Amino acid sequence: QSALTQPPSASGSPGQSVTISCTGTSSDVSGYNYVSWYQQHPGKAPKLMIYEVTKRPSGVPDRFSGSKSGNTASLTVSGLQAEDEADYYCSSYAGSNNFVVFGGGTKLTVL
Amino acid sequence: QVQLQESGPGLVKPSQTLSLTCTVSGGSISSPGYYWTWIRQRPGKGLEWVGYINYSGTTYSNPSLKSRVRISVDTSKNQVSLKLGSVTAADTAVYFCAKYSGDYAYSDSWGQGTLVTVSS
Repeated sequence: QSALTQPPSASGSPGQSVTISCTGTSSDVSGYNYVSWYQQHPGKAPKLMIYEVTKRPSGVPDRFSGSKSGNTASLTVSGLQAEDEADYYCSSYAGSNNFVVFGGGTKLTVL
Repeated sequence: QVQLQESGPGLVKPSQTLSLTCTVSGGSISSPGYYWTWIRQRPGKGLEWVGYINYSGTTYSNPSLKSRVRISVDTSKNQVSLKLGSVTAADTAVYFCAKYSGDYAYSDSWGQGTLVTVSS
């Protein structure tokens, strides 16, 4: 069982927006502004998409955005494209006991 | 952007020790503020943080694995090593190494991963 809770699946049609949630606790998500999101295509390494809740690394399209409210962080993908179909994982710093925790992952399907 | 490459045996027998090496190129493993982390992914499952180490040898491990994990760094070779003892089939996974920002808690560079199967 993962420390952070994500829905197992999400879907949307091309051009639509989809939001993936990531629920934690006061020991991780709401305790720190260190939530990151990773995209993983089959057989590939994860790729950083969002860090520090809302920041995008260079080269990541601005269609990807992050936010947080209380114990829940969210990743929104706007203007869905076929290449966005992948697994998405959230992660959070969890203090000096657990350090790094991940969500169980969400499979995003572009219909 | 640094490149990371994992290497090691793809098959380990139960109760033995899994040993992997991550070679870093295109940058120094001694960069302040960064940790070199191991993350694994069991077949069909999500990501699990194993542990990380910085250039000075400060290391932290997942509490669920802590007693079996040893992570070390060789700055002369720009390498990080992982040893996981007393393995079982549950340790079968793709093991990734990644560069982790200790200040901002994210991994922006990853190796391609290496599959380790625990089987007799």
